[in-house]
Amino acid sequence: GESVGLHLPTLSVQEGDNSIINCAYSNSASDYFIWYKQESGKGPQFIIDIRSNMDKRQGQRVTVLLNKTVKHLSLQIAATQPGDSAVYFCAETTTGGGADGLTFGKGTHLIIQP
Amino acid sequence: EAGVAQSPRYKIIEKRQSVAFWCNPISGHATLYWYQQILGQGPKLLIQFQNNGVVDDSQLPKDRFSAERLKGVDSTLKIQPAKLEDSAVYLCASSLDLRQSTGELFFGEGSRLTVL
Repeated sequence: GESVGLHLPTLSVQEGDNSIINCAYSNSASDYFIWYKQESGKGPQFIIDIRSNMDKRQGQRVTVLLNKTVKHLSLQIAATQPGDSAVYFCAETTTGGGADGLTFGKGTHLIIQP
Repeated sequence: EAGVAQSPRYKIIEKRQSVAFWCNPISGHATLYWYQQILGQGPKLLIQFQNNGVVDDSQLPKDRFSAERLKGVDSTLKIQPAKLEDSAVYLCASSLDLRQSTGELFFGEGSRLTVL
């Protein structure tokens, strides 16, 4: 099965509310995690990343939390806007060796209600 | 800065035919990846190049898929013969070095393949 997965395939939130998208991973050797946003007909776009030596990282309106104990990753989007509507993927990799291609989860479709 | 360029954007073929996709990564990016994204799923890594060498092709169906990056810049991905289950978007991505940079992969817009 997938080594990275998401709890909810679809998340519907009201415009202006905060969104939380969750992700579980199974490879305890993974040390680098990225959240991507993919709009319809486009390639995935980098949102934010976090390395395993950190628990939290903040960007503009986004925060990623990493809990290595339970192998859980979350993406928080503050004050959700219509432009945030997209599919969000978490991805993981192990950077110690040469092969560091990301393993993606199935994705969560974020729907913004007016 | 120009992004990752891919062509063609769309391709429709019949099963057992062949198809090739082209990718030009961001200038200076040593690492190039090909991903397959089936509708409703996350991208799945097919092959990773570092310059013109293959780093990881463990998930590439080698009986029908091939890829090359002869001069360490642009790359082609070929499918021959195509099967119905190959219908997907083929994404190319490039990066500097995950160990030395932010690790961001820059994706192209993808090549959508439909096999009839």
